[in-house]
Amino acid sequence: AQSVTQLGSHVSVSEGALVLLRCNYSSSVPPYLFWYVQYPNQGLQLLLKYTTGATLVKGINGFEAEFKKSETSFHLTKPSAHMSDAAEYFCAVRTGAAGNKLTFGGGTRVLVKP
Amino acid sequence: GAGVSQTPSNKVTEKGKYVELRCDPISGHTALYWYRQSLGQGPEFLIYFQGTGAADDSGLPNDRFFAVRPEGSVSTLKIQRTERGDSAVYLCASSLGSSATDTQYFGPGTRLTVL
Repeated sequence: AQSVTQLGSHVSVSEGALVLLRCNYSSSVPPYLFWYVQYPNQGLQLLLKYTTGATLVKGINGFEAEFKKSETSFHLTKPSAHMSDAAEYFCAVRTGAAGNKLTFGGGTRVLVKP
Repeated sequence: GAGVSQTPSNKVTEKGKYVELRCDPISGHTALYWYRQSLGQGPEFLIYFQGTGAADDSGLPNDRFFAVRPEGSVSTLKIQRTERGDSAVYLCASSLGSSATDTQYFGPGTRLTVL
């Protein structure tokens, strides 16, 4: 069975500082990995995804993530936090060619301090 | 273009009542998914439709939960004899196809509160 672990349910960063959100997964087959962001009272919005190819994936709003198979990780980063980045972030895994459901981590809530 | 829409946005009901939650997917999307998000947790998969048929309902917690998609577009999630533990945000998503690389687009959710 696939699972996703997000280290840290809450992260506080200063505006302009590095944002680092950690995600580790377990999967018996090559994984497809996703990061979604959820703003208050809104639906989940896709930030970026890894399927195949380049392991460093760039997404919207300046975010990027790197797939590291040896570490079973897919950490999300942004060099400089903005106040508008305050939200909840979810890592998810989708398995193989037949997999049609997302398994999500518990989420990390990001607070940005001025 | 229009995204995934869900109605109602909020639903308050009493224990034991029946509720229906509606999802309108993005036009042309053949795959539709239901997830449930409890407070402080990530979404959990409930059921997936490809066209009109439920291709995977392994996430439905018990037989009080049922979903339909009769014309391959709008879907309704039905919950019978609601319990307080059913209180959660119910999320719907759709994707263009059923490939694992197809992006799932989520609606804003329906917040269900069972008193």
